[in-house]
Amino acid sequence: QQQVKQSPQSLIVQKGGIPIINCAYENTAFDYFPWYQQFPGKGPALLIAIRPDVSEKKEGRFTISFNKSAKQFSLHIMDSQPGDSATYFCAASGSGGSYIPTFGRGTSLIVHP
Amino acid sequence: GAVVSQHPSWVICKSGTSVKIECRSLDFQATTMFWYRQFPKQSLMLMATSNEGSKATYEQGVEKDKFLINHASLTLSTLTVTSAHPEDSSFYICSASQGGMGEKLFFGSGTQLSVL
Repeated sequence: QQQVKQSPQSLIVQKGGIPIINCAYENTAFDYFPWYQQFPGKGPALLIAIRPDVSEKKEGRFTISFNKSAKQFSLHIMDSQPGDSATYFCAASGSGGSYIPTFGRGTSLIVHP
Repeated sequence: GAVVSQHPSWVICKSGTSVKIECRSLDFQATTMFWYRQFPKQSLMLMATSNEGSKATYEQGVEKDKFLINHASLTLSTLTVTSAHPEDSSFYICSASQGGMGEKLFFGSGTQLSVL
């Protein structure tokens, strides 16, 4: 599987801050880039996803920025809340032989009250 | 969003016994399901891709005789850990694709397996 590099490994912010998590990929065949949120002891849940034909997608307080030329995408959480404290995984998948999703290593986010 | 039900949520078993984990897509048909293993504070490690009506495709290093996968219907896939040993203790998660090609993955709630 092609690797998806995710950073940082952990992130601590104050309530109201804007944590940013970054991911980079190598395989240009990837054409679907989701983010998943996972709480302890639970399975991941799809948070938001983007395709390469747009540079930004926003859903509520969550925004994905996508840079096709740099092969990078990032998740921004606006007005972060303590309830956002979780582990976030980026992923990439695509049609053809690379459709099996490849996950980043995950970012543990803590939002202090 | 779509719902994937995974049971049991946790199981404790003795070494040498077998454990079956079920994964059901409740409101959509899933021709493809994925099984993952996750260690504490680590990412999801893909174990195998389960295709309805055919043999599962295992990732390199995953023993297919140890981790038996059956995908008998469009809504049910099972993972059986055979002759479990303490090193098999882990968090196992299934997912099903509503998009059919690895997109829009919906995950089960996971199964924490502890082998004594």
